[in-house]
Amino acid sequence: GAVVSQHPSRVICKSGTSVKIECRSLDFQATTMFWYRQFPKQSLMLMATSNEGSKATYEQGVEKDKFLINHASLTLSTLTVTSAHPEDSSFYICSASRPGGRDEQFFGPGTRLTVL
Amino acid sequence: KNQVEQSPQSLIILEGKNCTLQCNYTVSPFSNLRWYKQDTGRGPVSLTIMTFSENTKSNGRYTATLDADTKQSSLHITASQLSDSASYICVVSDKAAGNKLTFGGGTRVLVKP
Repeated sequence: GAVVSQHPSRVICKSGTSVKIECRSLDFQATTMFWYRQFPKQSLMLMATSNEGSKATYEQGVEKDKFLINHASLTLSTLTVTSAHPEDSSFYICSASRPGGRDEQFFGPGTRLTVL
Repeated sequence: KNQVEQSPQSLIILEGKNCTLQCNYTVSPFSNLRWYKQDTGRGPVSLTIMTFSENTKSNGRYTATLDADTKQSSLHITASQLSDSASYICVVSDKAAGNKLTFGGGTRVLVKP
């Protein structure tokens, strides 16, 4: 159990376009989902925390108007990178936490975004 | 600022050998400490998770230890296999910050035949 999927796994887009990444918890309901960004040879950096039905909480330095997060249901959160630029190229990873237990986060497989 | 420091940054070992990765943290109080394995181009996969009161936790050939007094943890890999080549990340859950995760920089392990 506790499987998290992401779609797409890879995306290449032109500068100025918007890209949507989906994160789904497949076999559990996730009260909270997290979005991370990871640059090559660096560790994960938290971008935002989203709770179902409420606005996401963004980390300092993350532009909320550029990285739109929607957590419409207990199994789906989306991250939209608006007006993407080459510097947004990165590995985006989501995670989901399951209520109860040890508050463990289960990570998705990641989405590689390349902006040309 | 809460930190999680890992050493070494990278490590090359021969197949079949053992190795130990280190993690020092300043996060206090913490809810739990986790070790993740991250293959290149993939999301992290949980290996072990330990609470404050646990000293050791095993998952197959992976054994994690925790010394909450010295704020140190280690991950021991026994009889390494080629598939163990990955980054290993130590992550501490900050209890005072609503269990926000603080990530270490990771140790990149390369197992050679």
